[in-house]
Amino acid sequence: AQTVTQSQPEMSVQEAETVTLSCTYDTSENNYYLFWYKQPPSRQMILVIRQEAYKQQNATENRFSVNFQKAAKSFSLKISDSQLGDTAMYFCAFMKLGAGSYQLTFGKGTKLSVIP
Amino acid sequence: EPEVTQTPSHQVTQMGQEVILRCVPISNHLYFYWYRQILGQKVEFLVSFYNNEISEKSEIFDDQFSVERPDGSNFTLKIRSTKLEDSAMYFCASSEAGTENTGELFFGEGSRLTVL
Repeated sequence: AQTVTQSQPEMSVQEAETVTLSCTYDTSENNYYLFWYKQPPSRQMILVIRQEAYKQQNATENRFSVNFQKAAKSFSLKISDSQLGDTAMYFCAFMKLGAGSYQLTFGKGTKLSVIP
Repeated sequence: EPEVTQTPSHQVTQMGQEVILRCVPISNHLYFYWYRQILGQKVEFLVSFYNNEISEKSEIFDDQFSVERPDGSNFTLKIRSTKLEDSAMYFCASSEAGTENTGELFFGEGSRLTVL
């Protein structure tokens, strides 16, 4: 079974600054995806960024980037130039490939507040 | 942009009553899911559904739970006899299948179930 751990229940950052959210996971699988999902207040979860485990290059989506350390089983999210709209719960998630169902295993989430 | 929609947004029920939570997945998606989040805890996988049958379920998804796609557009979760511990936010999600699948799940806003 897989586990995902987010050790920071809450974080805050000043607008325009950079913040890093931590995530570690445990698995014996070799083929998997890792995700960061964002859930703004009273809104649905949306995908922020995805990393395929077989890719060494860290994924980047505009202001969002990850630091994927496969050997250390670490998958942190960096948000640059933080904006007020980044205020949300952020969930790290793991998906084993090849099972045919695309089931996600989530961390407990980090509540990020961007302060004006 | 297509969205997963869920109804009701909030339902209050008495212990022992049956509850049906409804979801309309994105129209060209082929995989459907239910997840739940008890207050203060992780988002947990309940069940995945493909080709009109359950493809995977967790140990949480016991005989009290059932899923159905009654009419080709709705995807429902039924809890036969609710218990206090069923109080949670229930999220529906859908995803594409096949080679174009990126592993991304699209979530609804959730249905909050309160069992009294």
